[in-house]
Amino acid sequence: NAGVTQTPKFRILKIGQSMTLQCAQDMNHNYMYWYRQDPGMGLKLIYYSVGAGITDKGEVPNGYNVSRSTTEDFPLRLELAAPSQTSVYFCASRGSASTDTQYFGPGTRLTVL
Amino acid sequence: GNSVTQMEGPVTLSEEAFLTINCTYTATGYPSLFWYVQYPGEGLQLLLKATKADDKGSNKGFEATYRKETTSFHLEKGSVQVSDSAVYFCALSDYDYKLSFGAGTTVTVRA
Repeated sequence: NAGVTQTPKFRILKIGQSMTLQCAQDMNHNYMYWYRQDPGMGLKLIYYSVGAGITDKGEVPNGYNVSRSTTEDFPLRLELAAPSQTSVYFCASRGSASTDTQYFGPGTRLTVL
Repeated sequence: GNSVTQMEGPVTLSEEAFLTINCTYTATGYPSLFWYVQYPGEGLQLLLKATKADDKGSNKGFEATYRKETTSFHLEKGSVQVSDSAVYFCALSDYDYKLSFGAGTTVTVRA
């Protein structure tokens, strides 16, 4: 049981490049979340999903896209990378509608130059 | 909207010292309150939580009590160890289970 896994751990992009951050969980959780963590700030919610095929915007969705074709995977897509997207990205999952604890992956540190 | 304000850091302590990190919140409903911990190079882990007023969450020697009258959830530990060096985040979850986080407090414990 690996929990929530994220790849890659680190990445450097040039302005305008695209990439996909991968997130997978093996706990059969319906709910999944993407957050970004900027220095000295709390985590901000980018997108979330309540189940396969269902996604919705969080607090800071601009510049990102998501998809949820399976219960296990929730990739985050950056189409045109900008320096403002330099951050640490965390994926999290939650089991059911009646539980409030989220489980986090180890994070992806992204730098856009 | 919901928001969480926590004590700014960084905080540097000696081993066996008493640790308090203040956290206050604003919420429209009746939120659940959490403390998450992030050890160096790792993701966030749930440290403790409380789901209603006057509940006390506890884990690994840490405690926090849900105080509705003061809208607070302060984290305390009586005797810290070097292994407690981490970033601590206070968070709340309202009826929609989305988490709102404080800015985090970096704690460094020296031997």
